[in-house]
Amino acid sequence: DAGITQSPRHKVTETGTPVTLRCHQTENHRYMYWYRQDPGHGLRLIHYSYGVKDTDKGEVSDGYSVSRSKTEDFLLTLESATSSQTSVYFCAISGRTGLTDTQYFGPGTRLTVL
Amino acid sequence: EDKVVQSPLSLVVHEGDTVTLNCSYEVTNFRSLLWYKQEKKAPTFLFMLTSSGIEKKSGRLSSILDKKELSSILNITATQTGDSAIYLCAVGLQGAQKLVFGQGTRLTINP
Repeated sequence: DAGITQSPRHKVTETGTPVTLRCHQTENHRYMYWYRQDPGHGLRLIHYSYGVKDTDKGEVSDGYSVSRSKTEDFLLTLESATSSQTSVYFCAISGRTGLTDTQYFGPGTRLTVL
Repeated sequence: EDKVVQSPLSLVVHEGDTVTLNCSYEVTNFRSLLWYKQEKKAPTFLFMLTSSGIEKKSGRLSSILDKKELSSILNITATQTGDSAIYLCAVGLQGAQKLVFGQGTRLTINP
C-alpha cells in the first residue's frame, strides 16, 4: 500500500448540502490528485496539487474546490452537492521518487447525492 | 484536446485464453504510458512505458508501446479468473504532472 487513506469511505447526502472529502498520505509525495470514476468514463481528473497551497484544475472541476494546507492532506469540497456528483471519488499521490508519473490510489469514497 | 481510447470496452473469455487489450492516444506532448488493474477497489499500477522502455513483462502480463502508431497493447496469457478486472490505460504528458485516462476495458474470465 502507498499509505493513502480517504474519509469517509461512504457518504449519502442531500442535494444542496456541502460535502468535504479528505485524502491523507503518509508517504511524503509531492503531488496529490482527486478523480471521479463513473461508468463509461474511466477516471476523470477534478483537481490536483503540486505542493502546499499550490493547486490546479483538472478536466471536470466545475462545482468542486480543493485545499492543501499540509503536505499530507488534500481536501475536496462540493460546495452545494448535486445528483450529477454522485460518483466514486479516488485520491492519488505521486512524486516521491523519480517516477513521478506513477500514481498510487487511495481506497475511494462512494458518494451518493439524493 | 488530449485523448486516450481503449478497446474493446468489454471482453469475455474462457480461462486459459490469451487476451490483447488496446490503448491508443492523441496527446500534445507524450511522456509515458501506464497500465493499471482495477478490481472492486482502487486501481493498482502494472507497468509504465516510455521512449526508453517500450516493452515490459511481468509473469503472464506483458505490454508494448508503439510510438509510431501512438498505441500500446497489454497481453495476458493463460488467463485466470483472478485476471477479471477493469484495465485502465493512462498517458503522462511532458510539462504537466498529470495523467489522462482512457475509459477502461472490463475483462471477464469465465472458468
